[in-house]
Amino acid sequence: EAGVAQSPRYKIIEKRQSVAFWCNPISGHATLYWYQQILGQGPKLLIQFQNNGVVDDSQLPKDRFSAERLKGVDSTLKIQPAKLEDSAVYLCASSLGTGSGYTFGSGTRLTVV
Amino acid sequence: AQSVTQLGSHVSVSEGALVLLRCNYSSSVPPYLFWYVQYPNQGLQLLLKYTSAATLVKGINGFEAEFKKSETSFHLTKPSAHMSDAAEYFCAVSQGGNTPLVFGKGTRLSVIA
Repeated sequence: EAGVAQSPRYKIIEKRQSVAFWCNPISGHATLYWYQQILGQGPKLLIQFQNNGVVDDSQLPKDRFSAERLKGVDSTLKIQPAKLEDSAVYLCASSLGTGSGYTFGSGTRLTVV
Repeated sequence: AQSVTQLGSHVSVSEGALVLLRCNYSSSVPPYLFWYVQYPNQGLQLLLKYTSAATLVKGINGFEAEFKKSETSFHLTKPSAHMSDAAEYFCAVSQGGNTPLVFGKGTRLSVIA
């Protein structure tokens, strides 16, 4: 089966600019997660979707980050305006919801200068 | 709340030596436990998972881990290290279902020729 697709792979922007990341999960996976991985740290959950509804966005900085999953398939994560501390790898993952399998995409590496 | 502690941010072993990466967890319910590997500039790849079946779990690339409830541990081992094992390793815990993974900070494994 095809994996979790993410784009772009790399992005460099200046602070205060906006940026968007795209994720296409594995077909049939109802649950989608966005994680932020800062260099030298483990991934941290930003937001979880179940189909097109938000399950958990408690750790999403809502003043600058937003995410949507229209039609319960693809998802986009947006940052506006970006700060230097947003430099990180943004990972998308999907799962069937059984707790036994989470598949990660290759991530988008964001550098804010 | 769940959490994972990985002891040692960096482990260095000689090629052919035993690999032991330590992970302790905290969970209020029976946990689902995972080990992921991350190679440079890549996403997370599942090595193995514990989902309340056999306590000794075998994964890919010769890795295995043992769930010890009394010690709240899920240490990752491999009898003989190979140069290709050099990577970042993450332990993660979830409550099952579609609950998100909570990651440790990671352990970087170096293999010396």
